[in-house]
Amino acid sequence: AQTVTQSQPEMSVQEAETVTLSCTYDTSENNYYLFWYKQPPSRQMILVIRQEAYKQQNATENRFSVNFQKAAKSFSLKISDSQLGDTAMYFCAFMKHVFLGGTSYGKLTFGQGTILTVHP
Amino acid sequence: EAEVAQSPRYKITEKSQAVAFWCDPISGHATLYWYRQILGQGPELLVQFQDESVVDDSQLPKDRFSAERLKGVDSTLKIQPAELGDSAMYLCASSLRGRGMNTEAFFGQGTRLTVV
Repeated sequence: AQTVTQSQPEMSVQEAETVTLSCTYDTSENNYYLFWYKQPPSRQMILVIRQEAYKQQNATENRFSVNFQKAAKSFSLKISDSQLGDTAMYFCAFMKHVFLGGTSYGKLTFGQGTILTVHP
Repeated sequence: EAEVAQSPRYKITEKSQAVAFWCDPISGHATLYWYRQILGQGPELLVQFQDESVVDDSQLPKDRFSAERLKGVDSTLKIQPAELGDSAMYLCASSLRGRGMNTEAFFGQGTRLTVV
């Protein structure tokens, strides 16, 4: 079974500073997908950034970037120029494709989350 | 913009009562997930559908929980009887069939269940 570990229960950062959230995972798969999701207080979960394991280049989305180390099974999220609206719980997630009866589907597993607070 | 719809948003029920949650995924999404999220923790998969078929219900407490997606569109998750430990957020998510860019799961706003 795949496991996703986020070792930082809580992080805080000053507005406009940079913060890095850590994530490690355990899998024997070679092809998979990794995600960072954001869950603001009392609001729905949204995708922040995605990485496909076969791509060596780290994904970036505006102020968000990842450091994907496949051999180390590490997938950290860097938030640059932090904004107050970045305050949320962040989840690292792993997806592998499972083949069953002639079809395939994605199995999505989440870490325990990191609460990020951005201070003015 | 297409969204995953869930209802109700909040539900308070007494233990031993039955409770049901409804989810309408984004149109055309073949995969539907039901997750349970205890406050301050990560979502835990309860059941996953591919079209109308259950493909993973290994973590679903089958003695009290049931889920269906009869026409491969909307889905209902039921708990009977509810227990105090069932208090949590129940999240529904959906995604397209396939790989690559189709792997993104879109989430609804969730149903917050409180069992008293």
